Formats: sequence, structure tokens, C-alpha cells
Amino acid sequence: DARVTQTPRHKVTEMGQEVTMRCQPILGHNTVFWYRQTMMQGLELLAYFRNRAPLDDSGMPKDRFSAEMPDATLATLKIQPSEPRDSAVYFCASAHHGGERYEQYFGPGTRLTVT
Amino acid sequence: GENVEQHPSTLSVQEGDSAVIKCTYSDSASNYFPWYKQELGKGPQLIIDIRSNVGEKKDQRIAVTLNKTAKHFSLHITETQPEDSAVYFCAAVGKTSYDKVIFGPGTSLSVIP
Repeated sequence: DARVTQTPRHKVTEMGQEVTMRCQPILGHNTVFWYRQTMMQGLELLAYFRNRAPLDDSGMPKDRFSAEMPDATLATLKIQPSEPRDSAVYFCASAHHGGERYEQYFGPGTRLTVT
Repeated sequence: GENVEQHPSTLSVQEGDSAVIKCTYSDSASNYFPWYKQELGKGPQLIIDIRSNVGEKKDQRIAVTLNKTAKHFSLHITETQPEDSAVYFCAAVGKTSYDKVIFGPGTSLSVIP
């Protein structure tokens, strides 16, 4: 049963610290998304990649957030320095673009708390 | 860019009744409209989708309708059950912007036993 994995599942850190979240997309999927979910803003698209190339990161605060795909099996989202307003659940999703169905498979999320 | 609106934000129905969630989109180039269900503590999961060349699609108790002219699409759940309680998101995907997926703000559905 193929699924997207995310680590860590929970992260509590102090303001100013660096946070790195990791995602392993489903093997064979060529598109990876990063979302942030809060009660106030709902599900926000931060960035997405196709074939490891960044396509759109307009939803991401550029000064502190960065997203990369070092290889096809790993996507990372970094926040440096972290701030309390970054507290949210961060979801990674992967999809196969080009097939009949463009279904996104979401990971379980990383719940980030910045104090 | 694309904008997706969704109504209502919360919906409460009695078990066995129907639930309807409505969405509108702004980009006329959008051609694919998925619906996701998010249960507490989990990531969203696709439940049904529709392409712009189809007006209606049904899968057991759920159905989706699309009005391209009005840029509206709706989710219909019949014979609701307590396990249908969740947050539902509509989304639109356009041919522009590398098929960027834009989600609506979500509808929290509660089915009262």
C-alpha cells in the first residue's frame, strides 16, 4: 500500500531555531506539493515541484522558507529562523501528472509548534 | 490567478438526510475539479473528481455536478452517515500555471445520529 511519509510527525521548537521537515513521495509520482494548514488560512499551497524542478513557490515566505528535492525520493521544507506564526500542520502530497487522474496523495502531516 | 470559493463553511445534517456543498471558481481555463475529505488528524483524501467535459459524476452515495458556464460545481452526499462527518475541500486545476491545484477554504460537515 503505497503512501506518502513525512517526518517528524510533531515538532516543538523555540522561536529562531531552524526547522526541517522531510517527505518521501510515492515511488513513480512526478509532482510533489507542500501545503500549510491553519484554522485561519485553511489549506495553503506553499510550493510544488515536477520532476524535481520547482514550478511555483509563490505561496512561500521567501526570506525564511526554502523547499528542495535533493532526489526523487526526498523533498524537504526548511524554516530558518522559525517564528510563532509558523505554527501549523504542514502537509506534503505527491501525484502523477500526465495520467488519467491527477490525484494528490497526502502524507499524515507534520504538526509544528513554535514557542 | 485562480480563486476557489466554497459554501457553506459549516454544515450540520441529520443522519439519513442529504448534504450539498457548493464551490465557484474564477479561472475559465480550469478543467479538473477534485473533492477531498479530511478526517480529524489525517491528510485530505480524494473522494471524487470531475473533468470539464462531463456535467455530472456519481459514485455510490456521492455525486458531483459541474456547470462550466456559471463556473459552479457542487458535491452531493445522500443518505448521510456519521462517518461522513469531516472537512470537505473542493479544488480546481487549470491548464495554466503548470496545473496548479487551488483548494477552497473547506466545509466542516457534521452528521448528527
